[in-house]
This record gives sequence, structure tokens and C-alpha cells, in this order.
Amino acid sequence: GDSVTQTEGLVTVTEGLPVKLNCTYQTTYLTIAFFWYVQYLNEAPQVLLKSSTDNKRTEHQGFHATLHKSSSSFHLQKSSAQLSDSALYYCALSDRENAGAKLTFGGGTRLTVRP
Amino acid sequence: NSKVIQTPRYLVKGQGQKAKMRCIPEKGHPVVFWYQQNKNNEFKFLINFQNQEVLQQIDMTEKRFSAECPSNSPCSLEIQSSEAGDSALYLCASSLSRDRGANSDYTFGSGTRLLVI
Repeated sequence: GDSVTQTEGLVTVTEGLPVKLNCTYQTTYLTIAFFWYVQYLNEAPQVLLKSSTDNKRTEHQGFHATLHKSSSSFHLQKSSAQLSDSALYYCALSDRENAGAKLTFGGGTRLTVRP
Repeated sequence: NSKVIQTPRYLVKGQGQKAKMRCIPEKGHPVVFWYQQNKNNEFKFLINFQNQEVLQQIDMTEKRFSAECPSNSPCSLEIQSSEAGDSALYLCASSLSRDRGANSDYTFGSGTRLLVI
């Protein structure tokens, strides 16, 4: 089956320093859509980034990610973490060819940014 | 505020009781998903619909869970006989049908937090 792996369950970083959240995947889908979702406490998950193009950098709200099919990865990075970035982050994929396809989520990474 | 509306926000049930939660998808989104987010914050897909038709569901959903998305009414997820292990956050999401080449977002609601005691 398809799977998404986020190796760190918990990441703590000091404000102003760079942060990287890892995401790798295994899939049998031929064409794939990738997402990073962020979930703040007691709120709905919301899409942060999305991509389906190999080796193309995607950016939003200071975060960026590049899909690398050669290494099956879609890591999330930010050059300077902010206190407000503290949240749960999920990497997810879906089958682009299948209308209504479900999202397969990674286990999530809790990011804590300390002063 | 999310464009997907879920009610109730909190639900407390005794073991063996029915638990029912509702979801109004984002306007214009024909595809609806239900996910269970457990205490470890892991997501488990339960079922999805396109309009009123079930697209995919897991075994658990087939046995104790029932769900529907009637036309002109909220979608619903009901657990027929709640168990302690069902305690979780139930998230509803909706999306456009994805045409070839499109990259539709999934919009999530804030969830219904179920506690089975």
C-alpha cells in the first residue's frame, strides 16, 4: 500500500533558526499530489503547501518544499522559524488520477519554536 | 473559520451508545471524506463519498460505522455501538472532483471530539 513517513515526531527549534521537517513516501500511484498540512491547537488542518511537479520548489508563508521523486521525498523547510509556527505538521499524498481520492497522511511532526 | 462545518464540537457517549456527528461540506465540493484522528494525532481514513455515492471505505466503517451524504442535507457519520477505542477527533473534509491535471485542495472542518466513557 501507499505510505508516508515523517521520521521526527517532535522537533524543537529556537526562534530565528532554520527548521526542516522530513517526509518520505512509498506509492504505487503513477501521478501524485503532495501536501503539507498544518494544524494549530483545536483548529482544522489547513493546507500549507502542495505540489505535483518533480524538482520544482513550492513556497508559501515562508515555508518551502521541493518534490524529489528520485529520493521519494517532500521535506518542509523554513529559513527562520517564528514562535507562531508552533503547530502539528502533516505530510500527505493522494492519487491525482483518481477523482475523489483519499489523502494518505504521515504520522505528523509537532514543531515547537522556543524564544 | 473553516468552510467545512462540523457539529457537534464535542460528544460524550457511554459504551454501547450510538454516536452521530454531522458535516456540511464546503459549497460546491461534491467529495466528502471522514477521518479519525487518534490520541497520537495519527489520521485514519474511514470513508469518502462523491455526492451520495460511497467511493471507498475501510472494513471498520463497514461493520460498526455508518455514513451517508443525502442530497440537500448534512453528511453524517454514526457509530452504532460506541467503544472506548472510538474516542478520537473525527474530521470531515471536502474537495472538488479532481480532473486530470488538477490539484484540488482538501478543506477540513474543525472536527467532532468524541469521548466514549
